[in-house]
Amino acid sequence: KNQVEQSPQSLIILEGKNCTLQCNYTVSPFSNLRWYKQDTGRGPVSLTIMTFSENTKSNGRYTATLDADTKQSSLHITASQLSDSASYICVVSAYQAGTALIFGKGTTLSVSS
Amino acid sequence: GAVVSQHPSRVICKSGTSVKIECRSLDFQATTMFWYRQFPKQSLMLMATSNEGSKATYEQGVEKDKFLINHASLTLSTLTVTSAHPEDSSFYICSASGRRDEQFFGPGTRLTVL
Repeated sequence: KNQVEQSPQSLIILEGKNCTLQCNYTVSPFSNLRWYKQDTGRGPVSLTIMTFSENTKSNGRYTATLDADTKQSSLHITASQLSDSASYICVVSAYQAGTALIFGKGTTLSVSS
Repeated sequence: GAVVSQHPSRVICKSGTSVKIECRSLDFQATTMFWYRQFPKQSLMLMATSNEGSKATYEQGVEKDKFLINHASLTLSTLTVTSAHPEDSSFYICSASGRRDEQFFGPGTRLTVL
């Protein structure tokens, strides 16, 4: 069964600190993995997208890694800001007829001052 | 980047009425549009997939007669929640996909049925 598991479920950190969010998946056949940021009451916004051959990709203070062998990904946020408070969703795409996205439940990050 | 809009952003309606939500791709042609619903603290759940000019494909458990989807053009899809009830209250999000197959999400519509 195609699944995406994220941890932790929620996280509270102080402004300026770094944090790492985890994503494990059992999606096959794998196409790509994406990280999205979703602010409360808003739609998801893409942060990174990685294919099988990519190990790391950065977008400003966000750095995503992918280990296709162990089927794990992480999203590292450096020097966190209050505006980073949001839900971070890991989404894995499977090769199927059309586009099939499998969503994780997300990690809720709260950055406090 | 690709922009997808939704209208309205919030809607409150009485039980038994129908509500229409629009999803537009503003700067690209969307061959496929997707409709999701999201309950609090839950992940997005795909409701249906629609291709321009053809009938939508609904996920298992989603009533096609209750959630009417129309994808009349390459830039517009609509979701109509017919005879809405309080249990239909949710956050509805659309996404649009063009040639490159990447999905771009709209900002969502908060539906509250009284």
